[in-house]
Amino acid sequence: EVQLVESGGGLVQPGGSLRLSCAVSGYTFRSYWMHWVRQIPGKGLVWVSRISNDGSITTYAGSVKGRFTISRDNAKNTLYLQMNSLRAEDAAVYYCALGEAPRDWGQGTLVTVSS
Amino acid sequence: QSVLPQPPSASGTPGQRVTISCSGSNSNIGPNYVYWYQQLPGTAPKLLIYRNNQRPSGVPDRFSGSKSGTSASLAISGLRADDEGDYYCAAWDDSLSGWVFGGGTQLTVL
Repeated sequence: EVQLVESGGGLVQPGGSLRLSCAVSGYTFRSYWMHWVRQIPGKGLVWVSRISNDGSITTYAGSVKGRFTISRDNAKNTLYLQMNSLRAEDAAVYYCALGEAPRDWGQGTLVTVSS
Repeated sequence: QSVLPQPPSASGTPGQRVTISCSGSNSNIGPNYVYWYQQLPGTAPKLLIYRNNQRPSGVPDRFSGSKSGTSASLAISGLRADDEGDYYCAAWDDSLSGWVFGGGTQLTVL
């Protein structure tokens, strides 16, 4: 069964850090580019970051560049998003998505940034 | 304001045909493929159309996509009640070096 399962969301104070994970199964993970996309509940989709299949290329949205780091462990079939210096405006549901263009999506994990 | 403006809402009655537009520029839709996603209430987005007009396996042929210049559109024919949800266009933006999404169109089946 093909699955993408995000985890690691939760409540964090402004300025804090959080690491999201996305466990992928049912795919040859190492063959695919991966993305993080976020969505404030009730609002639209916003692309956050992507990483090439071998991890050599990473790209970020301007709003998170320098604060977020995308990475992957192809041996563990897992994608990560390290989020530092979190702000209130980073609060959202974070989805991981597989494909050169986002194709298959996980169910999302909620990040809340509040004191 | 989204990089890819879409009408905020669209509606139709069962069986009708509706179209949703997506406006871009020479840095995104113009030179690149357009993708469309469907997000039903309480669920994750699902790829509906890729590379302007291609349907993934399992997506009914009631859904079709087209692109002309710097604009794109999604057409849904034979509208059904379970088509209600939000629809987003997306494309790679060469100037931003990132993916951009439309603001989304909420489809209501009357």
